[in-house]
Amino acid sequence: RKEVEQDPGPFNVPEGATVAFNCTYSNSASQSFFWYRQDCRKEPKLLMSVYSSGNEDGRFTAQLNRASQYISLLIRDSKLSDSATYLCVVNMPGGGNKLTFGTGTQLKVEL
Amino acid sequence: DTGVSQNPRHKITKRGQNVTFRCDPISEHNRLYWYRQTLGQGPEFLTYFQNEAQLEKSRLLSDRFSAERPKGSFSTLEIQRTEQGDSAMYLCASSLAGRASGNQETQYFGPGTRLLVL
Repeated sequence: RKEVEQDPGPFNVPEGATVAFNCTYSNSASQSFFWYRQDCRKEPKLLMSVYSSGNEDGRFTAQLNRASQYISLLIRDSKLSDSATYLCVVNMPGGGNKLTFGTGTQLKVEL
Repeated sequence: DTGVSQNPRHKITKRGQNVTFRCDPISEHNRLYWYRQTLGQGPEFLTYFQNEAQLEKSRLLSDRFSAERPKGSFSTLEIQRTEQGDSAMYLCASSLAGRASGNQETQYFGPGTRLLVL
């Protein structure tokens, strides 16, 4: 089983749609969680950290369910500029804050 | 530009040659990470430094790979006797680790060095 699993997509959605991505992680001792965004042939950039209580940043909402080892990202009112790959990222225990990435979910927002 | 920088941005080499990449982290960031990303995959951890000390190396890092951060600032990643399977994007990230950041320290990535081994 992969340490971090995501549906690779692509998710093709019309502009203005709401889209949700899910991610599961294998290590119950994982301590911190993130969503990164990666545009084609660019570096990953932090979109948001994910907290146990859930958190929102504008049109983006992240949720964490530790019991189910499940992380989600909801994008409301999607824009063309949201088209990218969304990487689910987990900080595995053991020190150093090395990040373990999922394979990413590709989102294409269309007119 | 005060972000993470990497050089070169692209490298094409022949199998068997040695290559070296450089990463300049954000000033005052004490941690520096190297990752490798192949097409269709997320980045995979290779190694990291806290200041000048290399604290962890992944099993992905064969003995042909060596990384240094001699003065706790910039870092180099060298691949000796390159193989076609080494073709990938090599990403560097830096972060400021401390009591205030806890486990939520943010890693900032450089633009990467794209390596193609022919």
